[in-house]
Amino acid sequence: EVQLVQSGAEVKKPGESLKISCEASGYTFITYWIVWVRQVPGKGLEWMGIIYPGDSDTRYSPSFQGQVTISADKSTSTAYLQWTSLKASDSGIYYCARREQELVQDYYHYYLDVWGKGTSVTVSS
Amino acid sequence: DIQMTQSPASLSASVGDRVTITCRASQSISAYLGWYQQKPGKAPNILIYAASTLQSGVPSRFSGSGSGTDFNLTISGLQPEDFATYYCLQSYSARLVFGGGTKVEIK
Repeated sequence: EVQLVQSGAEVKKPGESLKISCEASGYTFITYWIVWVRQVPGKGLEWMGIIYPGDSDTRYSPSFQGQVTISADKSTSTAYLQWTSLKASDSGIYYCARREQELVQDYYHYYLDVWGKGTSVTVSS
Repeated sequence: DIQMTQSPASLSASVGDRVTITCRASQSISAYLGWYQQKPGKAPNILIYAASTLQSGVPSRFSGSGSGTDFNLTISGLQPEDFATYYCLQSYSARLVFGGGTKVEIK
């Protein structure tokens, strides 16, 4: 069974660092892009960035560029999202998801087919 | 960057109703659009990709249409388990963008 298992809830203070994880199983980790998505409670979904674990090619949303770092460890099939100095506005639920691709009418289309359950991050003094 | 405008933000409907949700892109995205369902406290779940291709295992009452800039998600015969929030997601550009979401509530 294809699964993404995310690390547990975190409560941090402003200025602290944090690294949350997303462990993949049931498929070849290095051949699928992994996406990170933020959801502030009561709000919508925001795409943060994407990484290809095969070569660590990483792209960021302009809204999150410089604010977070996305990485991956091939040896443990785990993707990471990290902050060096948290702010209260970083509070939210963070999801990782696998990007699948399908050939539809001669073109590849992409969608997020498997999601982790989410990691809740609370930043409060 | 591409912007995705979803409407309505919320709607009330009854079991058995036909419901249509719209997503509009700020520029043409061909058919690079997916629809996701999210229930409270849960991760989103893919319903449709490539604008109109139903994901395996998703009930046939869900359907998608459109291309270019205008897209629809239609639920034909709303069921109790369909009350949720729905999001569109464009994958035309490498910078993915979600729509703002549509909450479908019980009337």
